Amino acid sequence: LAKTTQPISMDSYEGQEVNITCSHNNIATNDYITWYQQFPSQGPRFIIQGYKTKVTNEVASLFIPADRKSSTLSLPRVSLSDTAVYYCLVGDSGGSYIPTFGRGTSLIVHP
Amino acid sequence: GAVVSQHPSWVICKSGTSVKIECRSLDFQATTMFWYRQFPKQSLMLMATSNEGSKATYEQGVEKDKFLINHASLTLSTLTVTSAHPEDSSFYICSAPIVGTGRTNEKLFFGSGTQLSVL
Repeated sequence: LAKTTQPISMDSYEGQEVNITCSHNNIATNDYITWYQQFPSQGPRFIIQGYKTKVTNEVASLFIPADRKSSTLSLPRVSLSDTAVYYCLVGDSGGSYIPTFGRGTSLIVHP
Repeated sequence: GAVVSQHPSWVICKSGTSVKIECRSLDFQATTMFWYRQFPKQSLMLMATSNEGSKATYEQGVEKDKFLINHASLTLSTLTVTSAHPEDSSFYICSAPIVGTGRTNEKLFFGSGTQLSVL
């Protein structure tokens, strides 16, 4: 199971772009990279998932370099409501994948 | 998207009593569900994997006799905290995976969580 490392916290201001990087040096060939967002006293929610290169949806973009040993979640023009903890998970649904959460990144968006 | 319903949202109980938390997948079937526990300012800690029709798989250090898990149908898993004590007070979260097809992988859908306070 690939271990992930993220910054513990980040600060930003409304309207800025925020990039959160996750390191996963031991990622396996079949592993996907998935990001979740969690607000206080709520369950996490899925944001975006990717395998390689770039993935974009209505919420965020995910950049994955060719070696796949890291990934970057990009949040365009953040607002106060983007203040949350962001988790990066790496794994493959095949076999006995057990989704284990790391410490996550606490993002605080200031006015 | 897929919906996972978790009840109750919060519960207060006396020490020594048991509390049951339900987790339902509303619009999809889940042969597997995961139960997490989260303390303030900390990450989610996986407690156990609930398997429909069979015994749950517990993570190391989690007492299976204290945290009873039942996954009797493809849409319902329950976690019962037996003989609860103040140290069991925590935020409990369930999740159910949906395995993608083609170029997508598993995505987790989470319940809204249950805040347990044991007096």
